[in-house]
Amino acid sequence: GQQLNQSPQSMFIQEGEDVSMNCTSSSIFNTWLWYKQDPGEGPVLLIALYKAGELTSNGRLTAQFGITRKDSFLNISASIPSDVGIYFCAAQNYGGSQGNLIFGKGTKLSVKP
Amino acid sequence: KAGVTQTPRYLIKTRGQQVTLSCSPISGHRSVSWYQQTPGQGLQFLFEYFSETQRNKGNFPGRFSGRQFSNSRSEMNVSTLELGDSALYLCASSPSGMNTGELFFGEGSRLTVL
Repeated sequence: GQQLNQSPQSMFIQEGEDVSMNCTSSSIFNTWLWYKQDPGEGPVLLIALYKAGELTSNGRLTAQFGITRKDSFLNISASIPSDVGIYFCAAQNYGGSQGNLIFGKGTKLSVKP
Repeated sequence: KAGVTQTPRYLIKTRGQQVTLSCSPISGHRSVSWYQQTPGQGLQFLFEYFSETQRNKGNFPGRFSGRQFSNSRSEMNVSTLELGDSALYLCASSPSGMNTGELFFGEGSRLTVL
């Protein structure tokens, strides 16, 4: 079945550093999304991308929808301690019912002050 | 605007028992989806309800069931619990019938099966 390969699995960085993570698949999607999950919480949507090649920013976060429609990346600039958490990519071909949305296994980010 | 509310937050059951989890979506949201989250498998789709109808179902055994009420609140039930059912169960709501992938998740119900 379809799956998303998210890397790296975990990252340990110093506060102030930039972070980059990505998500790839052998399947084509027309929607890519990035979610963040804090400990003890549910995932929260960070960025949604609906067009191949699209580059979207949300504060210090920037995400891109790969031109092949098979990948996406998320960058975080000037990391701060509250960036700690697990980042999930998700992808689907939108329309119709839920259930087509699949998630990557997540990138666990740790930030040292 | 209140977020997605799930109850209970934590519960412990023993093998063979059954459990019912509840989800109240954001006001006005008509679609409710359920996910199982485990360290090994990540987030796995259970089912989605829209206007009291199950629109889609993931690859889980029939022991997992759900329903949605006329006020969009949803419940999921797991019967004959197994150790492997220990997980965080997440409910997510979205406002429209068209699935954009933009979900609003609750904090989850953490189920431990002993």
